[in-house]
Amino acid sequence: TQLLEQSPQFLSIQEGENLTVYCNSSSVFSSLQWYRQEPGEGPVLLVTVVTGGEVKKLKRLTFQFGDARKDSSLHITAAQPGDTGLYLCAGRNAGNNRKLIWGLGTSLAVNP
Amino acid sequence: KAGVTQTPRYLIKTRGQQVTLSCSPISGHRSVSWYQQTPGQGLQFLFEYFSETQRNKGNFPGRFSGRQFSNSRSEMNVSTLELGDSALYLCASSSGTLGGNEQFFGPGTRLTVL
Repeated sequence: TQLLEQSPQFLSIQEGENLTVYCNSSSVFSSLQWYRQEPGEGPVLLVTVVTGGEVKKLKRLTFQFGDARKDSSLHITAAQPGDTGLYLCAGRNAGNNRKLIWGLGTSLAVNP
Repeated sequence: KAGVTQTPRYLIKTRGQQVTLSCSPISGHRSVSWYQQTPGQGLQFLFEYFSETQRNKGNFPGRFSGRQFSNSRSEMNVSTLELGDSALYLCASSSGTLGGNEQFFGPGTRLTVL
């Protein structure tokens, strides 16, 4: 069974701090996606990484896909209260069914 | 372009009852996937429909079923509800097969089973 482990599970920081959350697996994925989910809403796609070692930036968010395409990280610089939410990673199965495998998420609270 | 809509947003049922949830995908999208989200299990894939055909299925009991209509709208049904079925049920639409490259999620239906 493919699993995606996200760490930390919970994170509470002050506005202006930097943080990194991780998404790890022993399986190889053809691509990996990061989502943010706010209370009462569905997840919203932030980025898709496809190539091993790929780095993508979205304003203050930096996403990296591991060289072996088994892990990924999300780094937020100078966090703001608007970054608060549940960050989910989802890896697409490299096999025929191409199912998305989801992590449990990192719940981030940025305090003003 | 309107987003994915789900109805109802909130639902309270008792054990043994059945429930039907509805999802309208983004116009032009033909793939609809359903997920169950709980704090302990995260997002669990239920099934995916494309052009009225079930293309993928997760590991849920037969009490969970779904269908898709010719206009791509989808419904999922849960029969003989159990307390453990309490969850946020999310619908996601995409333009391609097998989930496509990007899924757009609806706000979900919060189901509480008493």
